Amino acid sequence: GENVEQHPSTLSVQEGDSAVIKCTYSDSASNYFPWYKQELGKRPQLIIDIRSNVGEKKDQRIAVTLNKTAKHFSLHITETQPEDSAVYFCAANDYKLSFGAGTTVTVRA
Amino acid sequence: SQTIHQWPATLVQPVGSPLSLECTVEGTSNPNLYWYRQAAGRGLQLLFYSVGIGQISSEVPQNLSASRPQDRQFILSSKKLLLSDSGFYLCAWSHRFNEKLFFGSGTQLSVL
Repeated sequence: GENVEQHPSTLSVQEGDSAVIKCTYSDSASNYFPWYKQELGKRPQLIIDIRSNVGEKKDQRIAVTLNKTAKHFSLHITETQPEDSAVYFCAANDYKLSFGAGTTVTVRA
Repeated sequence: SQTIHQWPATLVQPVGSPLSLECTVEGTSNPNLYWYRQAAGRGLQLLFYSVGIGQISSEVPQNLSASRPQDRQFILSSKKLLLSDSGFYLCAWSHRFNEKLFFGSGTQLSVL
């Protein structure tokens, strides 16, 4: 089955700087890669997703890039703000959606 | 618009007691339904999924079970809870299988 590894596990950035989270996956048949944001005690919420036929997707301050050859994808958050502080999860699908272990992002004011 | 309801929000149960968590989806028909568990500081572990009424697939062998008695209702059960069953349980739904999952608000289960 799919194995998704996510790095780093924690990330602290200064407000206004960029944050990058990277994930690798094992199943070359995976074709859908979402990213979820989970605030403390809340439900995970989908923030952006990408399919395997696209190399990059952007939505305001967040973007995701996919390298199918290397089997890795990344989340980029630019101009970070305090409300970006949360746990971020990547995921990849084979017959199920497999999640990474999460990255705790802290934006310092 | 579609909404997902999950209850209760918190639950404290003794070891060996039964469990029933309920999830319902409104505003859509024939959703794909999922139960995930999240241990403290960990990722999301898929427990069960269902693509239709009465169809349940189990991912992890354990003392939990799931049922889908109606199209938009998904229930997670246990006959006897273990300490290791503690965690944050999340129900989710999607239109397309394994894509764009929308999660419920979760149930924080503490087994003591």
